[in-house]
Amino acid sequence: GDSVTQMEGPVTLSEEAFLTINCTYTATGYPSLFWYVQYPGEGLQLLLKATKADDKGSNKGFEATYRKETTSFHLEKGSVQVSDSAVYFCALSDLSNDMRFGAGTRLTVKP
Amino acid sequence: EAEVAQSPRYKITEKSQAVAFWCDPISGHATLYWYRQILGQGPELLVQFQDESVVDDSQLPKDRFSAERLKGVDSTLKIQPAELGDSAMYLCASSLSPQGNYGYTFGSGTRLTVV
Repeated sequence: GDSVTQMEGPVTLSEEAFLTINCTYTATGYPSLFWYVQYPGEGLQLLLKATKADDKGSNKGFEATYRKETTSFHLEKGSVQVSDSAVYFCALSDLSNDMRFGAGTRLTVKP
Repeated sequence: EAEVAQSPRYKITEKSQAVAFWCDPISGHATLYWYRQILGQGPELLVQFQDESVVDDSQLPKDRFSAERLKGVDSTLKIQPAELGDSAMYLCASSLSPQGNYGYTFGSGTRLTVV
């Protein structure tokens, strides 16, 4: 079945560092891909999405490009802030299945 | 901005007791989901509704869990009897599209602790 694999955390960065969180997927069809963010004690918030190959999703300085050839959707941000500290989930959804989530990657940004 | 409402935010219950969670999705969202998130893991689907009908409950432990959405709007998830292993965050989400192509909107969740 469809699945998502994220790089294991935790990830600790200094403020203004470059962030990459890797995500690869397995799907039989052409899924939509998502990144969600979860702050402590809260539900998940949609961060960005891409619905077809080569689409780039972006929001709040975060970006991810849907790469069909490498089945990847890596999350990047050029300069992280302390307020970006959270858990990030990669997810996919296609026509035949519910949304499948990765295990999450915890990011801590230190001042 | 429209939100998915969930209550309570936190619940502590003794094992073998009954517990219930409530969710009110975004107005107009016909599709509603209940997810369980164990600490340190990603959410896993328990049940999906389309209006008042269950679309997928294949991962719902039906011997102790039940879910309903009688009028196709708000929903209740019940556990009876609760077990220690049920301690988790229970997340409700809703979406415009049954396929979720636009993404889901999640509520803040109910943190359940079974003692």
